[in-house]
Amino acid sequence: DTEVTQTPKHLVMGMTNKKSLKCEQHMGHRAMYWYKQKAKKPPELMFVYSYEKLSINESVPSRFSPECPNSSLLNLHLHALQPEDSALYLCASRTGTANTGELFFGEGSRLTVL
Amino acid sequence: AQSVTQLGSHVSVSEGALVLLRCNYSSSVPPYLFWYVQYPNQGLQLLLKYTSAATLVKGINGFEAEFKKSETSFHLTKPSAHMSDAAEYFCAVLNSGGYQKVTFGTGTKLQVIP
Repeated sequence: DTEVTQTPKHLVMGMTNKKSLKCEQHMGHRAMYWYKQKAKKPPELMFVYSYEKLSINESVPSRFSPECPNSSLLNLHLHALQPEDSALYLCASRTGTANTGELFFGEGSRLTVL
Repeated sequence: AQSVTQLGSHVSVSEGALVLLRCNYSSSVPPYLFWYVQYPNQGLQLLLKYTSAATLVKGINGFEAEFKKSETSFHLTKPSAHMSDAAEYFCAVLNSGGYQKVTFGTGTKLQVIP
């Protein structure tokens, strides 16, 4: 199984809503990532979890709150978002133990903030 | 921090022609480099990776890339373009300092003309 599964695929929310994006992998990877991708732009790193601990936070606004309940799951909690937060949110994982390990990506969750 | 630069945001080739997508890296130490492809409304898929084992790297779908230290380049090539190769291509580098951080180039959109 070499899949990273993201749900939901599409999400529309108002600026006052609270929602969550979910990501799951069963490859035994110990590093999990959230990226944000705007249209016609490269993915921008948001967060990295290594062995279930937050290791990188790229100065992301607090309205985005990551959570890693266990080694297979990664959540991104959303609250009081702005329209400019509309984007494709990509989850990825890698082995976390080898410097040469590549990222495995999910299909993404496309978020629209009204 | 290490970075990659992709020359040419758009490249057009005729079906059957050579594909050449350019990527240059900035690093004083041997980097770990990747090429990813992204089809519309999908996540990123690994094409190939350079991990210092060999300078000529072969990937999926007939793509290959050559690591040239003297030119700090890692260009992606394919001898004969197919219509199905039309997509966005990203070069990426794994930062050796905080080794978990993967940074992407700005991307090159490949158009294949029938």
